[in-house]
Amino acid sequence: ETGVTQTPRHLVMGMTNKKSLKCEQHLGHNAMYWYKQSAKKPLELMFVYSLEERVENNSVPSRFSPECPNSSHLFLHLHTLQPEDSALYLCASSQDHWGNQPQHFGDGTRLSIL
Amino acid sequence: KNQVEQSPQSLIILEGKNCTLQCNYTVSPFSNLRWYKQDTGRGPVSLTIMTFSENTKSNGRYTATLDADTKQSSLHITASQLSDSASYICVVSAGTNAGKSTFGDGTTLTVKP
Repeated sequence: ETGVTQTPRHLVMGMTNKKSLKCEQHLGHNAMYWYKQSAKKPLELMFVYSLEERVENNSVPSRFSPECPNSSHLFLHLHTLQPEDSALYLCASSQDHWGNQPQHFGDGTRLSIL
Repeated sequence: KNQVEQSPQSLIILEGKNCTLQCNYTVSPFSNLRWYKQDTGRGPVSLTIMTFSENTKSNGRYTATLDADTKQSSLHITASQLSDSASYICVVSAGTNAGKSTFGDGTTLTVKP
């Protein structure tokens, strides 16, 4: 139990489908993150939320749409994805978004685009 | 451009042996350096976090060092165990925003019996 739970663990979808990834943290943290991890590449930060407000958006295509309804939940809505979007999507949380506290990661959603 | 380079890319050692992983960075301004362990199929887990004023930090059999002058860090694993087989990721934060973190490619460690 990492304190950060991601669902689903695996997702296969077609390029025209719409799906959502869910992340929930039970640590009382105020910051949450979405990362993309592709094979043989370092983690890529996608979005950062602090107290439900987006504070970082790293030039992510609009086919990825994040939502943070409260400090414990984070969603990533997916629409019209491309094959190169197949990757492991990791959610993380930390006490704050200032970077001096460790991030706690979920185990990720393995996404495959057909 | 901020960069984090890790070496070696992969490493195989025998159980019970020690090993050292390297991390060189060109991130500026420097805020902190973190080491994570990522088991296959799992998310990364924090091992250590060091700020500018810290030059060593331990977490059980893991000891991280930081030389802010040469912009180098190492992660030393003592008396390796099979469960140490994982990817080890070095992350350097610039300024005071976690969004400004730069991730290394990781070192894949395999511990064999």
